[in-house]
Amino acid sequence: AQSVTQLGSHVSVSEGALVLLRCNYSSSVPPYLFWYVQYPNQGLQLLLKYTSAATLVKGINGFEAEFKKSETSFHLTKPSAHMSDAAEYFCAVSRGGTASKLTFGTGTRLQVTL
Amino acid sequence: DTEVTQTPKHLVMGMTNKKSLKCEQHMGHRAMYWYKQKAKKPPELMFVYSYEKLSINESVPSRFSPECPNSSLLNLHLHALQPEDSALYLCASSQDNTRDGSQHFGDGTRLSIL
Repeated sequence: AQSVTQLGSHVSVSEGALVLLRCNYSSSVPPYLFWYVQYPNQGLQLLLKYTSAATLVKGINGFEAEFKKSETSFHLTKPSAHMSDAAEYFCAVSRGGTASKLTFGTGTRLQVTL
Repeated sequence: DTEVTQTPKHLVMGMTNKKSLKCEQHMGHRAMYWYKQKAKKPPELMFVYSYEKLSINESVPSRFSPECPNSSLLNLHLHALQPEDSALYLCASSQDNTRDGSQHFGDGTRLSIL
C-alpha cells in the first residue's frame, strides 16, 4: 500500500520568505510522487513530479522538491514566497502506469502575509 | 486555462432530480477519472476509465452512474442524491504511454443537494 503524510495542515509565511511544505511517503515499490496546487474554486494543477530521473525536481512558479529516499521525503520549497502562492497544496503518490490511482495527502494550506 | 473541461460549473438539484455532469478532454488521453472533494479535504477517487472501459469503481453508491461514450468524453449521471453528496466533483485524465501516470484536472462542478 502507498500513502503520503503531509506535516502541518496550515503554514503561514511572510512575503519574500522561504516556503517549506513537508511530505513523507510510504511505498513498497519505487514511487512516483507529485505536488499539486489548488486555488480557491479551481481544480488541481500539477506543480511538479518525481519519476526517478533526477532527485531534485523543478516545477512551475519557482517551486522545487527534492526526493530523499533515506528520509522517505519529498518536501516542496520555494526560496521567496509571493502573495499569489496562497493556496492548498497536496502531495500525492502513485505506482505509475495507465489508469493508476493517485493517493493524496491531507493537504497543507499556505498563507502568505505582508 | 485548463485542458480538461467540466460542465456545468455549478449545479443545484433536489434529492429526486436526475442530472448529469460532463467532462471533455482533447489531449488524446485514454484514462479518465472522477473524484469527489469535500471542503478542506483531498480528492477521493470514485471511478477510473481506461480505454473507455470501467477499470476501477471505489465502491461508489449506485446513485452515481459513470459513462464513457468515447475517448474524449466522460459523464457522471446523478439520481436520488443525498445532502451529503454535496461536494466538488473533479474530472481528470492521463496519457496511456507515460510511466508516471500524472493526471490533468478540470476545474470541477460544485454540486449542492437541497
